[in-house]
Amino acid sequence: DTAVSQTPKYLVTQMGNDKSIKCEQNLGHDTMYWYKQDSKKFLKIMFSYNNKELIINETVPNRFSPKSPDKAHLNLHINSLELGDSAVYFCASSQDRQQYFGPGTRLTVT
Amino acid sequence: AQSVAQPEDQVNVAEGNPLTVKCTYSVSGNPYLFWYVQYPNRGLQFLLKYITGDNLVKGSYGFEAEFNKSQTSFHLKKPSALVSDSALYFCAVRAAGTASKLTFGTGTRLQVTL
Repeated sequence: DTAVSQTPKYLVTQMGNDKSIKCEQNLGHDTMYWYKQDSKKFLKIMFSYNNKELIINETVPNRFSPKSPDKAHLNLHINSLELGDSAVYFCASSQDRQQYFGPGTRLTVT
Repeated sequence: AQSVAQPEDQVNVAEGNPLTVKCTYSVSGNPYLFWYVQYPNRGLQFLLKYITGDNLVKGSYGFEAEFNKSQTSFHLKKPSALVSDSALYFCAVRAAGTASKLTFGTGTRLQVTL
């Protein structure tokens, strides 16, 4: 009965690789988000989709590409991974102002 | 541009004592304000929000926050702290509106000791 789920929970990979993180919400929400939390716990929005349409696109390298196949899913694909991409990535969804967060995906790039 | 300031990196309090975690914000127009808590290796959990109405907002686990428009503050409070309240607390703000983004503060670590 998890509201917002992410896979995988942990991801360890080498520089230069391409990887994807998946997010699904079963709350029926229209809007989904990706956030990045760095090593200092600073949390910053990356993208937001509303009904499969991109509505927020912060200054993020174009190696990061979100994809929303339907309004319950928002995946994050990262090309040519760099050391600085190491972080925890959180997916979230919202319907009425309040956001619900997934458990996070800890990405480690070596 | 909207912003949130959490001036304290860490707050230490003894169990049973009242706690306050400070937050001030800057946003154009009316604010929507939120507090979230993050336990180690976990996602963010919603605590409470201010959208409109009563300035004193009550939330989960006995927490409350007071919206002060003149001071642009939204401090988190609890009358009696528990050791289990020890966690990382985030204040967040967004402007009233459908497509506005949520901006988080840098977080305050709350340490409650026996």
